[in-house]
Amino acid sequence: GQQVMQIPQYQHVQEGEDFTTYCNSSTTLSNIQWYKQRPGGHPVFLIQLVKSGEVKKQKRLTFQFGEAKKNSSLHITATQTTDVGTYFCAGPRNTGTASKLTFGTGTRLQVTL
Amino acid sequence: ETGVTQTPRHLVMGMTNKKSLKCEQHLGHNAMYWYKQSAKKPLELMFVYNFKEQTENNSVPSRFSPECPNSSHLFLHLHTLQPEDSALYLCASSQSGLGRNEQFFGPGTRLTVL
Repeated sequence: GQQVMQIPQYQHVQEGEDFTTYCNSSTTLSNIQWYKQRPGGHPVFLIQLVKSGEVKKQKRLTFQFGEAKKNSSLHITATQTTDVGTYFCAGPRNTGTASKLTFGTGTRLQVTL
Repeated sequence: ETGVTQTPRHLVMGMTNKKSLKCEQHLGHNAMYWYKQSAKKPLELMFVYNFKEQTENNSVPSRFSPECPNSSHLFLHLHTLQPEDSALYLCASSQSGLGRNEQFFGPGTRLTVL
């Protein structure tokens, strides 16, 4: 079945450093979504990428969708303590009417002063 | 608040108990989901309901029984669970059929099975 892997599993940075997480799917994706889960919280939708090679920015966060639509990345510039959490990518499993997502393994980000 | 509520937030139960988890969405969505999140595994999709019809049962043991009486409410009935079923159970909803079909998650129920 479809698998979505993320690396690294965990990263610890000092505030102000940059951070990148990579997402790789075993199958081509029609789109990819990113979610953030704060410690003790629930996943919250960040963004959806649809087009091959697409790049989107949200303030210090830059999201990319690979040309082959099988990989994606999230880059955070100058991390802050508010960026702490686990970042998940997710890809749809099929083109059915409900959005059945396969979530990636997640990257846990820890930011210290 | 995401518009998806779950009760209870925490639940401790013995292996012989029967309990139910409740989820309600106030977003007018037509699809609802149950996920299991445990410490060492990614988010696992358990059940999908689209327009109140179950469209996926992701090989979930029969000790978990979902119920979707209408498009706003989703239940997960639990009976004779095992300690390895201890996890965070998340409910989510989405509006299927649109270009952007992100899922909105509830706060989850932290379940401990003794």
